[in-house]
Amino acid sequence: QKEVEQNSGPLSVPEGAIASLNCTYSDRGSQSFFWYRQYSGKSPELIMFIYSNGDKEDGRFTAQLNKASQYVSLLIRDSQPSDSATYLCAVGYTGTASKLTFGTGTRLQVTL
Amino acid sequence: DGGITQSPKYLFRKEGQNVTLSCEQNLNHDAMYWYRQDPGQGLRLIYYSQIVNDFQKGDIAEGYSVSREKKESFPLTVTSAQKNPTAFYLCASSKLAGVLNEQFFGPGTRLTVL
Repeated sequence: QKEVEQNSGPLSVPEGAIASLNCTYSDRGSQSFFWYRQYSGKSPELIMFIYSNGDKEDGRFTAQLNKASQYVSLLIRDSQPSDSATYLCAVGYTGTASKLTFGTGTRLQVTL
Repeated sequence: DGGITQSPKYLFRKEGQNVTLSCEQNLNHDAMYWYRQDPGQGLRLIYYSQIVNDFQKGDIAEGYSVSREKKESFPLTVTSAQKNPTAFYLCASSKLAGVLNEQFFGPGTRLTVL
């Protein structure tokens, strides 16, 4: 069974610091990796996606993919209180058409 | 204003009743999906559709049914056969089918069985 693992947290970081969120996955055939942000009671919002090994930057967010070690991470620089949310990692596997497998999410708390 | 709409936002159902959740998108996306989210669990795929008049079961399809008669609409029926239907239901769409395409979510419907 394909699995996506995330530490549930909460991960607490002070305002202005770098938040590092990690996700590991079980299938080496994985092709696509997505990070979603979900505020309490709301639906997930796509932040980043990455397909190739290495880093991908978008504003304060950086996604890092290491296929050899089967992990993907999300860095949030200059963390703000508005970044406090649950971050979901989703992985797309080869041969499963449009199916993504989601982790259970990491709750991030940015403190003043 | 392009997006995905879901209705109703909150839905209460008595045991033994079927209910239908609406999902509409005006993004001209080919693929649409239904997920269920329970507290402390990841999103689980119920059904997905890659083109009109075609859909496939996801990981937890039992007790649910769907139709895809129009590109923009993908309603989900929660039947009385679903043993534990209380959950947050999320509809998503992507421009094309396939795991390389980003999925975007609607606002969700929170279903409670009384």
